[in-house]
Amino acid sequence: NAGVTQTPKFRVLKTGQSMTLLCAQDMNHEYMYWYRQDPGMGLRLIHYSVGEGTTAKGEVPDGYNVSRLKKQNFLLGLESAAPSQTSVYFCASKRTGGNEQFFGPGTRLTVL
Amino acid sequence: AQRVTQPEKLLSVFKGAPVELKCNYSYSGSPELFWYVQYSRQRLQLLLRHISRESIKGFTADLNKGETSFHLKKPFAQEEDSAMYYCALKETSGSRLTFGEGTQLTVNP
Repeated sequence: NAGVTQTPKFRVLKTGQSMTLLCAQDMNHEYMYWYRQDPGMGLRLIHYSVGEGTTAKGEVPDGYNVSRLKKQNFLLGLESAAPSQTSVYFCASKRTGGNEQFFGPGTRLTVL
Repeated sequence: AQRVTQPEKLLSVFKGAPVELKCNYSYSGSPELFWYVQYSRQRLQLLLRHISRESIKGFTADLNKGETSFHLKKPFAQEEDSAMYYCALKETSGSRLTFGEGTQLTVNP
């Protein structure tokens, strides 16, 4: 079991560019989450999904879009990157009825 | 809306000393509280949850509803405890976690 994987590990973008971050999990979990981690601010929820084909906004959704076309994948898109989106992005998943979220290794994104 | 506060961004102790990482929360319902830990170059992982009332790696945390706190304690810190610690709250009904700001613990030799 690979658990939760994230692609890519690192990325540098210029302001205005777009990109997609991929999260994949092989644990057959229903729930998936995208967070951003910033110094002094902890982890903040961007978007989440309670099942295939469903998505919902979290605490800081502006500037991001997500899709959950397949149960095992949760994609995070930045349509027009801004320097304020420089952060470390974490994906997590959870099974129905469980309390523990399982995290991926993170993606470090820098927007110049 | 719920909120989790960790008042200490940085905490430094010597090996063998007691350590307490503070966590306070605000939530109108009955919350579930967790501590997650992130060791250097590793992914975030669950350390313990209040409903289990367990001790993991020598750490314990008691939910104090009167003081709305869930402080993490260890009587004798070890160098391998150095990590970033996050307190998190889950609503009674729901799947979302609200994280605190995190506390970077450094245990000096």
